[in-house]
Amino acid sequence: DIQMTQSPSTLSASVGDRVTITCRASQSISSWLAWYQQKPGKAPKLLIYKASSLESGVPSRFSGSGSGTEFTLTISSLQPDDFATYYCQQYNSYPITFGQGTRLEIK
Amino acid sequence: QVQLVQSGAEVKKPGSSVKVSCKASGGTFSSYAISWVRQAPGQGLEWMGGIIPIFGTANYAQKFQGRVTITADESTSTAYMELSSLRSEDTAVYYCARVPFRQQLVGVYFDYWGQGTLVTVSS
Repeated sequence: DIQMTQSPSTLSASVGDRVTITCRASQSISSWLAWYQQKPGKAPKLLIYKASSLESGVPSRFSGSGSGTEFTLTISSLQPDDFATYYCQQYNSYPITFGQGTRLEIK
Repeated sequence: QVQLVQSGAEVKKPGSSVKVSCKASGGTFSSYAISWVRQAPGQGLEWMGGIIPIFGTANYAQKFQGRVTITADESTSTAYMELSSLRSEDTAVYYCARVPFRQQLVGVYFDYWGQGTLVTVSS
């Protein structure tokens, strides 16, 4: 199975900050990577697919980049609604696997 | 707008089985795969398997092979996930999630999710 490792596990930031979350794959997954946002007690919400494609309706302050084994999710200017946990997911190989999550908290 | 509505919370004894449903509305049910993803308390997301309703054949993660059965009823636009031989480690929220491509089950991500069903396994 492909292992997905996110860093950091927890990130403290303030409203207006630019933040970056990293996701590394244990082997190349080309650009077959998605990012999700999850709030407590809620289902994950798709933000980004194919590493850098923004899902319809997702604010443009979210962006994704990378290919191969290293990927990043960037939020250009944090808004109060963005404090949540973020997961990456590879869909290059069976089985689908997720990163362990990055919790974004208010500083 | 696609909506996935799951059945309610369950409490089960170790060794028993649980069957969770996921009813779809607002889209074409049969051609789009439904997968199941679980999340243990305070933990990350784990893919269990999925099905394309129009074909009826399911694909399972090896970890769950032999213990999970995923089915779909096209007449009611409902997918089901049954997990047997339950143990305490199966305590989790179980989500159904839709794949945004027709007739594709592998190499996919998920655009719509159900609200989740908490399954508690306790003696």
